[in-house]
Amino acid sequence: NAGVTQTPKFRVLKTGQSMTLLCAQDMNHEYMYWYRQDPGMGLRLIHYSVGEGTTAKGEVPDGYNVSRLKKQNFLLGLESAAPSQTSVYFCASSHVNGIHGYTFGSGTRLTVV
Amino acid sequence: AQSVTQLGSHVSVSEGALVLLRCNYSSSVPPYLFWYVQYPNQGLQLLLKYTTGATLVKGINGFEAEFKKSETSFHLTKPSAHMSDAAEYFCAVSENDYKLSFGAGTTVTVRA
Repeated sequence: NAGVTQTPKFRVLKTGQSMTLLCAQDMNHEYMYWYRQDPGMGLRLIHYSVGEGTTAKGEVPDGYNVSRLKKQNFLLGLESAAPSQTSVYFCASSHVNGIHGYTFGSGTRLTVV
Repeated sequence: AQSVTQLGSHVSVSEGALVLLRCNYSSSVPPYLFWYVQYPNQGLQLLLKYTTGATLVKGINGFEAEFKKSETSFHLTKPSAHMSDAAEYFCAVSENDYKLSFGAGTTVTVRA
C-alpha cells in the first residue's frame, strides 16, 4: 500500500532548465494537488485536479504547468526554472469531499541555481 | 474565504510538560478542521480532524484538539511532551469541500 509516491526526491536545476515532477497515487482518489512549502509560509497550492483530464490553478500557479492524463498520476512541470522556484514540493490526494483530509507524498526538494 | 492563523512559529517545551499549539480560523461556513504533523524530511501526516459532532477530538500519539465555534479556534494539546514530538505542526481548514488552507506552521522543540 504505497499511498502517494513522488519522484524524484531531490533535484538541482540550473536557471532556465525544465523538469517534470511525477506524483502517483494508488488509493483511487479523485482529487490531486500540488503544493510548495517555503519556510514561514506554510503550504501554498500551486495547481489541483478534480478528476482525470481536468486541472485548475491554485494560489501560486505562475511558472508551473500540470497534467492529469490518468487518474492515478498528476504531473507538475517547470518550463524554465527560476531561483524563486527553489522549494519543497508536495503532492497530495483526497476523496471527493475532503472529509478525510489529504494523503501526502514525501516531497521533492528542488534547488534552482 | 477561509484562512488559518497559527500563533507562534516556534514553541519550546520541556519533556513531560504540556504542549499547546494555537490555531484560529476564519470561515464563512461550518468548517472541517485538521492538524497535520511533519517530521524532518518527511511529508505531512494527519494527526486528527474535526468534521461534525463531538467538539473534543482525539488523535494519534496522545494529541487532542477542541473545536470552539465561539472563539473560532482549534487548539492542539498534549498533556506530556515526548522527545519524539519534535516536529512541525500545521493547522488546516476546509469549507466542507476538498480545498484545504494551511497555517504557516509551528515548530515544536522538546528539551530534555
